[in-house]
Amino acid sequence: GAVVSQHPSWVICKSGTSVKIECRSLDFQATTMFWYRQFPKQSLMLMATSNEGSKATYEQGVEKDKFLINHASLTLSTLTVTSAHPEDSSFYICSAREQLTNQPQHFGDGTRLSIL
Amino acid sequence: QKEVEQNSGPLSVPEGAIASLNCTYSDRGSQSFFWYRQYSGKSPELIMFIYSNGDKEDGRFTAQLNKASQYVSLLIRDSQPSDSATYLCAVNIQGGNTPLVFGKGTRLSVIA
Repeated sequence: GAVVSQHPSWVICKSGTSVKIECRSLDFQATTMFWYRQFPKQSLMLMATSNEGSKATYEQGVEKDKFLINHASLTLSTLTVTSAHPEDSSFYICSAREQLTNQPQHFGDGTRLSIL
Repeated sequence: QKEVEQNSGPLSVPEGAIASLNCTYSDRGSQSFFWYRQYSGKSPELIMFIYSNGDKEDGRFTAQLNKASQYVSLLIRDSQPSDSATYLCAVNIQGGNTPLVFGKGTRLSVIA
């Protein structure tokens, strides 16, 4: 089955640091990838849709200058949390879908980000 | 507003019973439907998908779709404590490369 690999699994860093999270589709090509954030005991929240070779589409309320998304190839998207602060601490999950019609989204294992 | 609705639960069932999870969706043009399971602290994992009206069985899981009623359900037979998780219903509403629309999930607790 389709596999999405996400790294790192967890990050602990100081406030003000920028953190990059990688998302790779290992056995399929993903024109589009999706980035989610999830706070404890809350539902998934879509942050942005990442499109290969073009700008990401951000959901309302998500700061595009703070959450930089780059989708440089059909198998790799990155999310950079710039100048992270404690309120950015969360569980970040990427997802990708094969290009065929009606395919499911496959999720990476997530990155737990803790900003001290 | 394209919506997917689920009862948040918790739904508690005894071990060995059938757990029934329900989901309704607002867009009549929706084409494909998915069930994900999410354990606490983990990312969602796909467990079932269904495209056509009727039932689809996979092991202990059965997905049911009724497009006329805009209703999709997941049945878990012989529920086990390891089935305790949050179950997310997701709908492909717009097609193409748009994201699936997820419900907020139903928390299932299987009591040993």
